[in-house]
Amino acid sequence: AQTVTQSQPEMSVQEAETVTLSCTYDTSESDYYLFWYKQPPSRQMILVIRQEAYKQQNATENRFSVNFQKAAKSFSLKISDSQLGDAAMYFCAYRSAVGLDGGSQGNLIFGKGTKLSVKP
Amino acid sequence: SAVISQKPSRDICQRGTSLTIQCQVDSQVTMMFWYRQQPGQSLTLIATANQGSEATYESGFVIDKFPISRPNLTFSTLTVSNMSPEDSSIYLCSVVFGNTIYFGEGSWLTVV
Repeated sequence: AQTVTQSQPEMSVQEAETVTLSCTYDTSESDYYLFWYKQPPSRQMILVIRQEAYKQQNATENRFSVNFQKAAKSFSLKISDSQLGDAAMYFCAYRSAVGLDGGSQGNLIFGKGTKLSVKP
Repeated sequence: SAVISQKPSRDICQRGTSLTIQCQVDSQVTMMFWYRQQPGQSLTLIATANQGSEATYESGFVIDKFPISRPNLTFSTLTVSNMSPEDSSIYLCSVVFGNTIYFGEGSWLTVV
């Protein structure tokens, strides 16, 4: 079974600085997707960034980028120029690419989350 | 992307009662998922609901406690039955759309 580990329960960053959140995962599959979701106090799960395992290029979305190391099974999130609105819980998640069009596979497996605080 | 409306957003429930959560999607989707997030915890999958078939439940979740309906490709309901304080959680529906999973706003239930 796949597992996702986030070893940092809490992180803190100064506004405008850069912070990196760690995530490792375990799988025997070769094709899968990795995600970072942000959950602010409103509890809405917001997709931050997505990475397909078959792509070597690291995904980037504005101030958010990932360092995807497939061999090491590592998927860290870098937030540049941190803003107060970035303060939230961040969840790393894994999704198998098998069963894309049906079946019970295709759900997300989540890490325990990292609470990010941004200091003004 | 897919836009998901979830109701109710928040409710306080008496123990022993049941509550049905609705999830409406603005696009037709094959797979819908229901998750539970207990206070201070991560998300745990309750079940997968595909249109036209019975929901598939994860270990630790049973149909009698969490009956699910999926009458069409844009709508699903999750009922939390015979609630106890341990059921106080956020319940979230999610859908697969374009290889990405999107979430509703969540339903925050408190059982007293």
